Amino acid sequence: KTQVEQSPQSLVVRQGENCVLQCNYSVTPDNHLRWFKQDTGKGLVSLTVLVDQKDKTSNGRYSATLDKDAKHSTLHITATLLDDTATYICVVGDRGSALGRLHFGAGTQLIVIP
Amino acid sequence: EAAVTQSPRNKVAVTGGKVTLSCNQTNNHNNMYWYRQDTGHGLRLIHYSYGAGSTEKGDIPDGYKASRPSQENFSLILELATPSQTSVYFCASGDHTFSNERLFFGHGTKLSVL
Repeated sequence: KTQVEQSPQSLVVRQGENCVLQCNYSVTPDNHLRWFKQDTGKGLVSLTVLVDQKDKTSNGRYSATLDKDAKHSTLHITATLLDDTATYICVVGDRGSALGRLHFGAGTQLIVIP
Repeated sequence: EAAVTQSPRNKVAVTGGKVTLSCNQTNNHNNMYWYRQDTGHGLRLIHYSYGAGSTEKGDIPDGYKASRPSQENFSLILELATPSQTSVYFCASGDHTFSNERLFFGHGTKLSVL
């Protein structure tokens, strides 16, 4: 059973618009949650890591929230650019190290059009 | 920024043949990982390593072997390739400097087994 569910599966937005990606999970324990960006044909690049029970992070136009009580995270992208076109992957870790179990979502494919 | 290099980028193999996927990192990271990524699924851990000389089984090790001859190099070996092993394979290395291990991914190797 998939323990990390991402929605929507795909999303098309116009350049300059904002968007929100969702991640729901059932992983226990949930030590931390990571968001990665994966450009087509490339590897995953880390965007942010959320750790606290109710956490918020900001990294330029990317901001993320985590609510461990609800087992839910969001990734907000503000003023999207064409280069934001990519797959965004939510990952829940049950320990601080990747040596622990990392549970990967299947990703949300974001397409930014002019 | 830490770099992880995979080779080859693309590989076509025949069923029953031997395939070796190579991964190199010059970041002096102790931990290295091999994942596979299939359409509609999250990344799944095949093998990992704590350091030179060590290899450990991940979640889906059947049909795969791993080798870590040095700190820098971590190989994934398919002794008898099968069509079900057609996938995109990612290598990653982990930096323990931070409380939550930072992961750096290679660009992936697309393997097709005919």
